[in-house]
Amino acid sequence: ETGVTQSPTHLIKTRGQQVTLRCSSQSGHNTVSWYQQALGQGPQFIFQYYREEENGRGNFPPRFSGLQFPNYSSELNVNALELDDSALYLCASTQGASNYGYTFGSGTRLTVV
Amino acid sequence: DQQVKQNSPSLSVQEGRISILNCDYTNSMFDYFLWYKKYPAEGPTFLISISSIKDKNEDGRFTVFLNKSAKHLSLHIVPSQPGDSAVYFCAAHGSSNTGKLIFGQGTTLQVKP
Repeated sequence: ETGVTQSPTHLIKTRGQQVTLRCSSQSGHNTVSWYQQALGQGPQFIFQYYREEENGRGNFPPRFSGLQFPNYSSELNVNALELDDSALYLCASTQGASNYGYTFGSGTRLTVV
Repeated sequence: DQQVKQNSPSLSVQEGRISILNCDYTNSMFDYFLWYKKYPAEGPTFLISISSIKDKNEDGRFTVFLNKSAKHLSLHIVPSQPGDSAVYFCAAHGSSNTGKLIFGQGTTLQVKP
């Protein structure tokens, strides 16, 4: 049974650019959530996808968007990058929309310069 | 507003002694609480959880206590081991139809040999 894998592990982007982060869910999981973890803070919920539909969103602007594919892998897209978007982005998967038994990936470290 | 707070950024204990990590919350609608452990360059891993209808849950060396009237929970690790050195996050789940978790800021535990 494979866990949650995220790519890339590190990324450097310039302010104003767009970025796509990828996540492969754990086998058998149909729900994926994305979290942003700024330095020295706990993870903050961005949004959740269940069966390819967004079914929950945190306090993040629309330039943060996502996709979930039929194989339950997922993407996080961020447009018009700002310096404050620099953070660790964590993907977590589980089975069931309201199941909080998440398995987290190791994250993508995004640096915006 | 920070609904889940871990007021101690760090804690240092001697190997073999008890580690007590604390967490406070403000939202009385939270129905489930979890503790995650995070090593550098890894994602958070689930440690132990407790439902709001209970006041204690134990798993090996780890025990979580919940005081609903005080909106406070704590994680006890006995005996502490050097391998327990990590960042510990408290998280809460609200009564929503998503698995959204609200995390505290984390406490860095150092267990000295």
